[in-house]
Amino acid sequence: GAVVSQHPSRVICKSGTSVKIECRSLDFQATTMFWYRQFPKQSLMLMATSNEGSKATYEQGVEKDKFLINHASLTLSTLTVTSAHPEDSSFYICSARDWGATGELFFGEGSRLTVL
Amino acid sequence: AQSVAQPEDQVNVAEGNPLTVKCTYSVSGNPYLFWYVQYPNRGLQFLLKYITGDNLVKGSYGFEAEFNKSQTSFHLKKPSALVSDSALYFCAVRDIGDKIIFGKGTRLHILP
Repeated sequence: GAVVSQHPSRVICKSGTSVKIECRSLDFQATTMFWYRQFPKQSLMLMATSNEGSKATYEQGVEKDKFLINHASLTLSTLTVTSAHPEDSSFYICSARDWGATGELFFGEGSRLTVL
Repeated sequence: AQSVAQPEDQVNVAEGNPLTVKCTYSVSGNPYLFWYVQYPNRGLQFLLKYITGDNLVKGSYGFEAEFNKSQTSFHLKKPSALVSDSALYFCAVRDIGDKIIFGKGTRLHILP
């Protein structure tokens, strides 16, 4: 079945640095990808919709300058957490829909960010 | 906006017993409903979906869900629980722009 890959799966960084998380659709093209954030023992919060070749659409309350999203190709979207702070520590998950086959939404394995 | 509610934070079931994880929905128009499962530090795995058709939807790993329009519910069920079913379960609904909105999740513990 379709696979969505995220990298890195775990990252630890110092406060003030920027971290990039990649989301790739491995065997299908995704014009749209979604980025979610999951706090401990909580649900997934949709952060933004990543659109290939255009600007991402951010959900209310999500800082677009803090969470930069780039969707430069049909198989890759990146989330960059800029000037990270400890409160940005979280589990970030991306998803993409395989319209070419089943139309199902597939999720990456997630990336755990820890900001020291 | 579409939304789903999962009233239980945690459900405990003895192995071999039937299990139910509850979900109610609030939508305008026809609901597109989903169930996903998440294992620790992992992404989400799709279990099943309801778009239209039969109210009883069968999914992966022996799970099924019953769509009940009058009660606006979409409860997840399995006839006989396995210890390996222990995980976090999310009910979800499709919103405008193809976004998926998740419930808060229900942690399922299957007791050996």
